[in-house]
Amino acid sequence: NAGVTQTPKFRVLKTGQSMTLLCAQDMNHEYMYWYRQDPGMGLRLIHYSVGEGTTAKGEVPDGYNVSRLKKQNFLLGLESAAPSQTSVYFCASSRGPRETQYFGPGTRLLVL
Amino acid sequence: GENVEQHPSTLSVQEGDSAVIKCTYSDSASNYFPWYKQELGKGPQLIIDIRSNVGEKKDQRIAVTLNKTAKHFSLHITETQPEDSAVYFCAASMGSGGYQKVTFGTGTKLQVIP
Repeated sequence: NAGVTQTPKFRVLKTGQSMTLLCAQDMNHEYMYWYRQDPGMGLRLIHYSVGEGTTAKGEVPDGYNVSRLKKQNFLLGLESAAPSQTSVYFCASSRGPRETQYFGPGTRLLVL
Repeated sequence: GENVEQHPSTLSVQEGDSAVIKCTYSDSASNYFPWYKQELGKGPQLIIDIRSNVGEKKDQRIAVTLNKTAKHFSLHITETQPEDSAVYFCAASMGSGGYQKVTFGTGTKLQVIP
């Protein structure tokens, strides 16, 4: 039981490049989330999903897209990376809306 | 929307002493308050949580108190150990039925000095 895993662990992009971050969970959780963590700002929700095939915007969705084609996977896409998207990205999942969120180990992204 | 303030931003204590981290929230509709511990290079991990129908909850050396009237809640760690060194986040959550929005504090870096 691996819990929540994220791929890749670290990535460097040039401005304008695109990439996809993959999150996978093996706990059969319905809810999945993408957060970004920046110094002094805590965790901010980018997008979330309440089930397979659904997505919704969070607090800071601009510049990101997501997809939940399979229940166990939640993908975060950056179509045209900007330096402001330099951050650590965390994926999380939970059984339900008021249940504990389990976090992955994070992806550190640097946009030059 | 909800606003969660967390203090202090850094905290150093001697091993064996107690540590207290305080958070305030703005929306009286918030009803669930989890605390997360984040070790270096890892994702946050839930250590304790409290719901709005109780005032205090304990789990071994960790306790959380909630004052709904004042809209603040606190994390208490007793008999601190070096392995308690980490960043701690409080959060406030509100909603019913579907998605429950979680707002995180900005974190407290706790250093336990051996």
